[in-house]
Amino acid sequence: DGGITQSPKYLFRKEGQNVTLSCEQNLNHDAMYWYRQDPGQGLRLIYYSQIVNDFQKGDIAEGYSVSREKKESFPLTVTSAQKNPTAFYLCASSKRGGDTEAFFGQGTRLTVV
Amino acid sequence: AQSVTQPDIHITVSEGASLELRCNYSYGATPYLFWYVQSPGQGLQLLLKYFSGDTLVQGIKGFEAEFKRSQSSFNLRKPSVHWSDAAEYFCAVGVNQGGKLIFGQGTELSVKP
Repeated sequence: DGGITQSPKYLFRKEGQNVTLSCEQNLNHDAMYWYRQDPGQGLRLIYYSQIVNDFQKGDIAEGYSVSREKKESFPLTVTSAQKNPTAFYLCASSKRGGDTEAFFGQGTRLTVV
Repeated sequence: AQSVTQPDIHITVSEGASLELRCNYSYGATPYLFWYVQSPGQGLQLLLKYFSGDTLVQGIKGFEAEFKRSQSSFNLRKPSVHWSDAAEYFCAVGVNQGGKLIFGQGTELSVKP
């Protein structure tokens, strides 16, 4: 079945460490996105990519980095510069263009210990 | 600035009662509008979308929404709520790209037996 796979589902990180969240899609979508979800704040866009080898910052990119070397993959690295990384992270993908919807993965819950 | 407002943080309805979740948006152009649903610890599932045409759109699970340009609203409705509808609901506006979304804060729905 086509879909978006995020791994791991739960992730624990010590302060000062970088950690990478995985996102893979087999929907043949050009565009991919990373969102952060905090209670009571909805979802906020971190980074997005419309095509391989290209990506743009979203509203809250500070402390995060991404790469897009393959169409199917869009990993997110949470760096030690991110001051409050504990959150639920959601990856999504869509076809290019405005009149299309996003499909979401099941999310990764990151906890800093 | 572009924004989405969901005025109700938490709503409780009795099973079998009707439901209306409110959504207001601020966007300069004709919006692409979405309603997503999220169960605890899960990703987002698309309920319905509005791109153009008929302002009353039907979605999955018996949900519908009406786009009212004059009121900048896109309220979600269901005539008879089931206990399985308990979840968090997000309204979103698409910004040029289908997955580049501005989300409301979400409305948590509880269903009383």
